[in-house]
Amino acid sequence: EAQVTQNPRYLITVTGKKLTVTCSQNMNHEYMSWYRQDPGLGLRQIYYSMNVEVTDKGDVPEGYKVSRKEKRNFPLILESPSPNQTSLYFCASASGGLTQYFGPGTRLLVL
Amino acid sequence: QKEVEQNSGPLSVPEGAIASLNCTYSDRGSQSFFWYRQYSGKSPELIMSIYSNGDKEDGRFTAQLNKASQYVSLLIRDSQPSDSATYLCAVNHQAGTALIFGKGTTLSVSS
Repeated sequence: EAQVTQNPRYLITVTGKKLTVTCSQNMNHEYMSWYRQDPGLGLRQIYYSMNVEVTDKGDVPEGYKVSRKEKRNFPLILESPSPNQTSLYFCASASGGLTQYFGPGTRLLVL
Repeated sequence: QKEVEQNSGPLSVPEGAIASLNCTYSDRGSQSFFWYRQYSGKSPELIMSIYSNGDKEDGRFTAQLNKASQYVSLLIRDSQPSDSATYLCAVNHQAGTALIFGKGTTLSVSS
């Protein structure tokens, strides 16, 4: 089954404790992206990657890191999480950078 | 700053009626336009994509694009209670670049 998977789906952590949210797709898509969704602010892009070793900032990259060492994986790293990073996070992938398919989401709470 | 604007709603329609959802965008160079549906707590799922001026129909859904007016709309015919969701308009300047989302319009279909 073609899909985008994210882990973990739910995470509660404390300020400053480094965490990684994994994203993997099995569709051989070149393009992958991370979004956060907050009430009243909608979906905002954090980072995106057009292919292996190629990443670029989206609208809200501060406090986040990404890497794209393999085509199928695009982990999101929070080196020192803060409460304002509490959000619902979505990973997405696309072929040719067009139609994006979303993962199930990761709910993050930073205390 | 590239922007995508949608009325937040809620838009309420009776079952069987036509629901009309509207979206405007600021970047005149935008090339790709998408409508996503998102149920509460779930990930966005693609409903329609449209790339050229005019109408595109898929079942009960019709997307309309007018690049001169920088306007894209989604019509849902014979609305069903299962169509109740938030509808997100998304715009892409070119393939592989950032996808900009509107904040979404909440649709409520009453039986």
